[in-house]
Amino acid sequence: DGGITQSPKYLFRKEGQNVTLSCEQNLNHDAMYWYRQDPGQGLRLIYYSQIVNDFQKGDIAEGYSVSREKKESFPLTVTSAQKNPTAFYLCASKAGLGISGANVLTFGAGSRLTVL
Amino acid sequence: AQTVTQSQPEMSVQEAETVTLSCTYDTSENNYYLFWYKQPPSRQMILVIRQEAYKQQNATENRFSVNFQKAAKSFSLKISDSQLGDTAMYFCAFMKHADSGAGSYQLTFGKGTKLSVIP
Repeated sequence: DGGITQSPKYLFRKEGQNVTLSCEQNLNHDAMYWYRQDPGQGLRLIYYSQIVNDFQKGDIAEGYSVSREKKESFPLTVTSAQKNPTAFYLCASKAGLGISGANVLTFGAGSRLTVL
Repeated sequence: AQTVTQSQPEMSVQEAETVTLSCTYDTSENNYYLFWYKQPPSRQMILVIRQEAYKQQNATENRFSVNFQKAAKSFSLKISDSQLGDTAMYFCAFMKHADSGAGSYQLTFGKGTKLSVIP
């Protein structure tokens, strides 16, 4: 079945360490996204990518980095510069223009990052 | 920039009853999409219903329907015959139309409404 796989589901990090969250999709979607979810804050956009080798900052990109070397993959690195990284992270993807349902985001199951 | 406001942080409803969740948004765009997503305790985000702004007819999906008031920039969700499985966080979200240029791929969310269905 097609879908989005995020790993790991739970991750613990010591302060000062970088950590990378994986996001893989087999939906053949062009666009991919990373959102952060905090209690009472809803979902906030970190980065998004419309095509391979291209990505744009969202509303809260500081302290994060991404890459989009393959259509299927959009890993997110939480760097030591991120002041408050403990949160739930959601990856999503969307079909390109002209495709049926192109305006609908499909989400992964999320990754919970805790900084110790 | 677009903003989405959900004014009800928490709501509850008796099983089999009807409940309406509110959502308002602010935009200068004329063409856009609106969505309701559900996030149950598993935290998996699930699309409930979507509305295209150029369509005057309100969208419906089984027990879920919306009241889309474009002039008032209001997009409420009505859940009929509430079931225990409807217990979840509900997020209203906005996306600019693809013809709107920059930012048209972005989905902007409200802060959510926590709905509890009581047996």
